[in-house]
Amino acid sequence: AQSVTQPDIHITVSEGASLELRCNYSYGATPYLFWYVQSPGQGLQLLLKYFSGDTLVQGIKGFEAEFKRSQSSFNLRKPSVHWSDAAEYFCAVGAMDTGRRALTFGSGTRLQVQP
Amino acid sequence: EPEVTQTPSHQVTQMGQEVILRCVPISNHLYFYWYRQILGQKVEFLVSFYNNEISEKSEIFDDQFSVERPDGSNFTLKIRSTKLEDSAMYFCASSEREATDTQYFGPGTRLTVL
Repeated sequence: AQSVTQPDIHITVSEGASLELRCNYSYGATPYLFWYVQSPGQGLQLLLKYFSGDTLVQGIKGFEAEFKRSQSSFNLRKPSVHWSDAAEYFCAVGAMDTGRRALTFGSGTRLQVQP
Repeated sequence: EPEVTQTPSHQVTQMGQEVILRCVPISNHLYFYWYRQILGQKVEFLVSFYNNEISEKSEIFDDQFSVERPDGSNFTLKIRSTKLEDSAMYFCASSEREATDTQYFGPGTRLTVL
């Protein structure tokens, strides 16, 4: 079975600073990887996803993530954080190559942005 | 932009009571899902639904749970006899045809069982 670890429960960065949120996954075959963001009172919004091809994936709101198979990681990055990026971020893995659709989520990282 | 909607936003019920959580998926989507998040824990998959039947379910989704698409727009999750441990945020999601299509999530229903 697949699993996802997000080692950082809470991260605080200053506005304008760069950001990297860590995600490690465990899955025996080709993983399908996702980053979702949840603002207070909102649902989970997809930031980006990786299925195959270029290991550097661009998403919405200026986010990108890099798939590193050797490290089983899919870290999320943003070069310059805005106050509106304060939210909770979830990494997820899917086993779509098996036909299953269930996503397995990590515990989430709460991002706080200081002015 | 189309979105998944859920009602109610917050439901409070007594232990042992039945609850029905409602969702309106995006109109042209074919796959529907329920996930839940117990406070402080991970988002967990419950069930997926396609062509009027369950296509996949987790071990959490036992006989106390059922899903239904009663008409062309709504998708419901019923918990027959709620337990304290059913208290959680319940998210509905929908996707188009392919397994790799994005799952779009609703804002969630917070269920509190007293």
